[in-house]
Amino acid sequence: DAGVIQSPRHEVTEMGQEVTLRCKPISGHNSLFWYRQTMMRGLELLIYFNNNVPIDDSGMPEDRFSAKMPNASFSTLKIQPSEPRDSAVYFCASSSNRDRAYEQYFGPGTRLTVT
Amino acid sequence: LAKTTQPISMDSYEGQEVNITCSHNNIATNDYITWYQQFPSQGPRFIIQGYKTKVTNEVASLFIPADRKSSTLSLPRVSLSDTAVYYCLVGAGDGSGNTGKLIFGQGTTLQVKP
Repeated sequence: DAGVIQSPRHEVTEMGQEVTLRCKPISGHNSLFWYRQTMMRGLELLIYFNNNVPIDDSGMPEDRFSAKMPNASFSTLKIQPSEPRDSAVYFCASSSNRDRAYEQYFGPGTRLTVT
Repeated sequence: LAKTTQPISMDSYEGQEVNITCSHNNIATNDYITWYQQFPSQGPRFIIQGYKTKVTNEVASLFIPADRKSSTLSLPRVSLSDTAVYYCLVGAGDGSGNTGKLIFGQGTTLQVKP
C-alpha cells in the first residue's frame, strides 16, 4: 500500500489567498484525521471523520477553516482567507475502526507558509 | 481525555537501553496507553499500545503498573536512528468502534549520541 498520500508537500501563498490541502487515506480505512503542527503549539487535532462523516471539529481554529470528505478515498482541508499564523505543517492520518482505531497512519504532511 | 506528563528531553548513547516514563494520573477505566514516534520532517508513527502489565513488540516494550497511573516505554539498545520525539497518549482507543481520538502532548525529545 502507498500509505496516506498528501498534496501538495509544500505550499507558499500570500495572506488572503485560499489554500486547499488534499489527502488520500489508506484504502479500507474508515477514519480520517487532520492535524496541524507548529513549534509553539505542538501537534493539534483539527477535525476527524468516521465513515466520511465529520465527528468532531472542535479543534478547527475558526470559520476560515473547513474540511470535507466527499468519499472514502479523498478529503480536503481548506483555509480561506489564509493568514500568516496559519503557517504550519498539516498532517492527515487514517485508521481502521474495525481493528485498531488508535493506530493511526500519518501522511508526510504539507508544509504551508503564508507570507 | 487524561492529561499526560513526560520529560521534555532525554539524552542517551548508542547501545544503551532508554526508558521514558509518562504520568497519567487521571486515566479512565477504558483508556489505553499509546506511544508514537516522530522523526524530523515526518508524521508520527505508532510504536506500541497497552492496557496493563507488559507489552512487547519488535520495536519496544511498554510497562504499565497495576494502578495504571504511569507507563514506561523501553527502547533496547538504541542507535543514532532512534533520535526522535516520543509521544505518550492516553485515550479510548480500544478499537471497539471508537474513533480513536488522540491528543498529543509535547512529547519527549530523545537524543542518541555516538
